[in-house]
Amino acid sequence: DTAVSQTPKYLVTQMGNDKSIKCEQNLGHDTMYWYKQDSKKFLKIMFSYNNKELIINETVPNRFSPKSPDKAHLNLHINSLELGDSAVYFCASSQVVWGASGVHNEQFFGPGTRLTVL
Amino acid sequence: TQLLEQSPQFLSIQEGENLTVYCNSSSVFSSLQWYRQEPGEGPVLLVTVVTGGEVKKLKRLTFQFGDARKDSSLHITAAQTGDTGLYLCAGARHSGAGSYQLTFGKGTKLSVIP
Repeated sequence: DTAVSQTPKYLVTQMGNDKSIKCEQNLGHDTMYWYKQDSKKFLKIMFSYNNKELIINETVPNRFSPKSPDKAHLNLHINSLELGDSAVYFCASSQVVWGASGVHNEQFFGPGTRLTVL
Repeated sequence: TQLLEQSPQFLSIQEGENLTVYCNSSSVFSSLQWYRQEPGEGPVLLVTVVTGGEVKKLKRLTFQFGDARKDSSLHITAAQTGDTGLYLCAGARHSGAGSYQLTFGKGTKLSVIP
C-alpha cells in the first residue's frame, strides 16, 4: 500500500498554463507539506497544513495555491506557469510523536512530480 | 532563515573505504534527521537524533548529534555500492499547531565505485 501518493508523476506544459498536482496520504497523519526540489537537489519547504489549516507559507509566489479538502489530501494549484517553476515537487506527511528522548517528526515523502515548463 | 551547511556536496569513493558527511548550523534545532534519496524517488528517513551528544548506529552507518544540537555527522564504514545515493540532513523546529518544519541541507551525493 502506498503511504503518500502524488499524481501525476510527470507534467510537461507550456508557459502561462494552469496546472494542479494532487497528493494523498493514507497514514492518518495530521500534517502535510509541499516541497520544491530544484535541479541542484536543494529541497525547500513551500507550504504546510495541519488538520486542513495552513501553518507554513514560505516565500512562494501567490501563483501557487495549496488546497486541503481534508487532512488526507493536499493539492497544489499553479497559475500562469513560468520557466523557473520547472522542478520536482514533493508532497510529504508527518505526525509528531513525543517519546522519552524527545520529539520525533518523521516525514514520509511521496514519489515526486517532475514539472517541466516549456 | 536557519541554514544548514552540508559538506561535502559530492563524494566519490572506492568500495570498502570509510567516509564522513557533515551538517553544520549556527542555530539550535529540536532534532536533526538524516534522509537518503534515490533517483526518481522521495527522501526516506534513516535516523532522527534528538539529544545533544547522541550517537545512533544503523549497521555500518553512525550518526552523531553535536552537544549544542547545532551540528551532526554521518559516518559510513566500509562503504558498499548500495550506499550510493543522495544524503540529506534536516533540522527540525517547532512551527506551531503541533507541527515541525524541516530545514534541509543541500545534500551530499555519494558515489561508491566497485
